[in-house]
Amino acid sequence: TQLLEQSPQFLSIQEGENLTVYCNSSSVFSSLQWYRQEPGEGPVLLVTVVTGGEVKKLKRLTFQFGDARKDSSLHITAAQPGDTGLYLCAGALGSGYALNFGKGTSLLVTP
Amino acid sequence: NAGVTQTPKFQVLKTGQSMTLQCAQDMNHEYMSWYRQDPGMGLRLIHYSVGAGITDQGEVPNGYNVSRSTTEDFPLRLLSAAPSQTSVYFCASSYSGGRNEQFFGPGTRLTVL
Repeated sequence: TQLLEQSPQFLSIQEGENLTVYCNSSSVFSSLQWYRQEPGEGPVLLVTVVTGGEVKKLKRLTFQFGDARKDSSLHITAAQPGDTGLYLCAGALGSGYALNFGKGTSLLVTP
Repeated sequence: NAGVTQTPKFQVLKTGQSMTLQCAQDMNHEYMSWYRQDPGMGLRLIHYSVGAGITDQGEVPNGYNVSRSTTEDFPLRLLSAAPSQTSVYFCASSYSGGRNEQFFGPGTRLTVL
């Protein structure tokens, strides 16, 4: 059972465009993380959101945690080819150890 | 700091062979985990450890064994490899005082023929 559903699964855009990636669930998470993975490498943590309604910005990337802590979004402004990669969301349930990962959104930004 | 290191980078096995995937971290993290990543399946937790001498099963533990004798090392053993274990394996570590933010190694691509 996939607790976190990511959409879209694939996204191909041109440099300069804006985009939003969604991470949705029916479960309530104590925290939610976003990772970025490049081909042949391990995922790298971008951000952790904890509070419902929280918004965090990382340069051109804006992350939002839903008010009910069941969903999150990643918005990229003026995408660049260097943003190309697989974006993964991962949620923690309560105080448990295990993270539940979404299947990821594969982003391709062409010049 | 080297972070999380994994060896080997690539491995090809025949069905029934055994091998150990090595993982080490130099960040003094208490928590360590093994994940497998398959196309269309995302990252799935195999086994994890919250400290030396303590291990537990994740979502997909069958066919894999782990042990944690030191804080730094967390090897993953395949006792009798099967084609279904063809995957990319990632080791990760995290510190106990945070939100379990994972620091991942570069991965091992395993093919079982």
